[in-house]
Amino acid sequence: SAVISQKPSRDICQRGTSLTIQCQVDSQVTMMFWYRQQPGQSLTLIATANQGSEATYESGFVIDKFPISRPNLTFSTLTVSNMSPEDSSIYLCSYRGQNIQYFGAGTRLSVL
Amino acid sequence: GIQVEQSPPDLILQEGANSTLRCNFSDSVNNLQWFHQNPWGQLINLFYIPSGTKQNGRLSATTVATERYSLLYISSSQTTDSGVYFCAVSPPQGAQKLVFGQGTRLTINP
Repeated sequence: SAVISQKPSRDICQRGTSLTIQCQVDSQVTMMFWYRQQPGQSLTLIATANQGSEATYESGFVIDKFPISRPNLTFSTLTVSNMSPEDSSIYLCSYRGQNIQYFGAGTRLSVL
Repeated sequence: GIQVEQSPPDLILQEGANSTLRCNFSDSVNNLQWFHQNPWGQLINLFYIPSGTKQNGRLSATTVATERYSLLYISSSQTTDSGVYFCAVSPPQGAQKLVFGQGTRLTINP
C-alpha cells in the first residue's frame, strides 16, 4: 500500500480565516477522497477528487466552503474556508487500493 | 442512501474477554470494510469482507450479504484493542464512496 502523508497534523485557527490541508501519496492513485470526522462522530465523505477534473461533492458540502485541488496523481489539497467553530473536526484524506481504503493520519482542526 | 447501523455503541470489557460487534446495512453492497481507530485517531483497515469469513490472528469477521449484516469477533481482548471500530460499505452505484456506521467504542480494562 502507498503511504499517505497529511499536513498539518493539527492547527488552531481563528474564525473567518482559511486553512489548506495537504495530502501526499507516495504512488499514483486515481481517486483521492476527503472525509470529515466531527468530535465524537463517524466519518462523512466531503468530496472525491480526480486529477484533471472538478471534485465531486457530497450533499451538504459545497465548493465555495471546501475547495479542493488535485494537480497530479499523488497530491491533493483541501481548503476549509471562512471557518467557524462548527468546522472544528478531524479532516482525513484517503485512497482505495485493491478494494481496501487507506487513510492519512488526519488533520485536527480547532476553530476559536 | 444506504444506512449503516452498528451495535453496541459502547462496550467495556476486561482484558481476556471475547466480544462480537455487529454491522447492519440497508441495501446490497459491493464493498464492506472494518476499521479500527486508535486513541490517536489513526484509522487502520482490519478486513475487506463483502461476503464470507476471514480471520487474522485474534480477529475474525463474517459477512452474510443476503441478510445484510456483518460481524466482527475479537477474542482474548488486550488493552491495545481499545478504540472505535467502524464498519463502512460501498453501495453498488456508489463507485468507491464509503458510507460509515456510527462505530462501536470498545474499552478494554486491565
